[in-house]
Amino acid sequence: GDSVTQMEGPVTLSEEAFLTINCTYTATGYPSLFWYVQYPGEGLQLLLKATKADDKGSNKGFEATYRKETTSFHLEKGSVQVSDSAVYFCALSDPSSNTGKLIFGQGTTLQVKP
Amino acid sequence: DGGITQSPKYLFRKEGQNVTLSCEQNLNHDAMYWYRQDPGQGLRLIYYSQIVNDFQKGDIAEGYSVSREKKESFPLTVTSAQKNPTAFYLCASTRAGSSLVYGYTFGSGTRLTVV
Repeated sequence: GDSVTQMEGPVTLSEEAFLTINCTYTATGYPSLFWYVQYPGEGLQLLLKATKADDKGSNKGFEATYRKETTSFHLEKGSVQVSDSAVYFCALSDPSSNTGKLIFGQGTTLQVKP
Repeated sequence: DGGITQSPKYLFRKEGQNVTLSCEQNLNHDAMYWYRQDPGQGLRLIYYSQIVNDFQKGDIAEGYSVSREKKESFPLTVTSAQKNPTAFYLCASTRAGSSLVYGYTFGSGTRLTVV
């Protein structure tokens, strides 16, 4: 079945460091890919998305490129801030499933220290 | 502003008790979803509904029940059959056929604790 695998956390960085959170997926069709962010005690917010191969999603300085050849959608940011501390979820929506379900990775906690 | 409202934010359940978590949306979305979140396990799908008066089991439906009598509302009941209900519960919605493009809109969650 479809699945999403994220790098284990927590990831601890100093402010202004470069961030990469790895995400790889398995899907039977051609999925859409998403990154969500969750701040403490809150729900998930959509951070960025890509709906086809080679698309790049971007928002708030974060970027991710849909790589079909490596089945990956790694999240990057050039210079993190303390306010970026949160849990990040990679997710896919597979059109072949016909249910509209999103399948999530296990989440990666990011801690940014001043 | 449109959005999803989950209530209560915190809920305490005694052993053997049924409790109901509320989820209401004013986005005119057709599909609604309930997820359970446990530390280190990501989000697991409990139930989902793509249309009023119809719903399907997700991956971990045992011990839970839902109803979808109105488009705007998708309440989740955690029954006494759910042996480990302590978790963070998230409700989400999307337009039918739109999750591929837009993903979901999430509520702010309900934290359920067994006391």
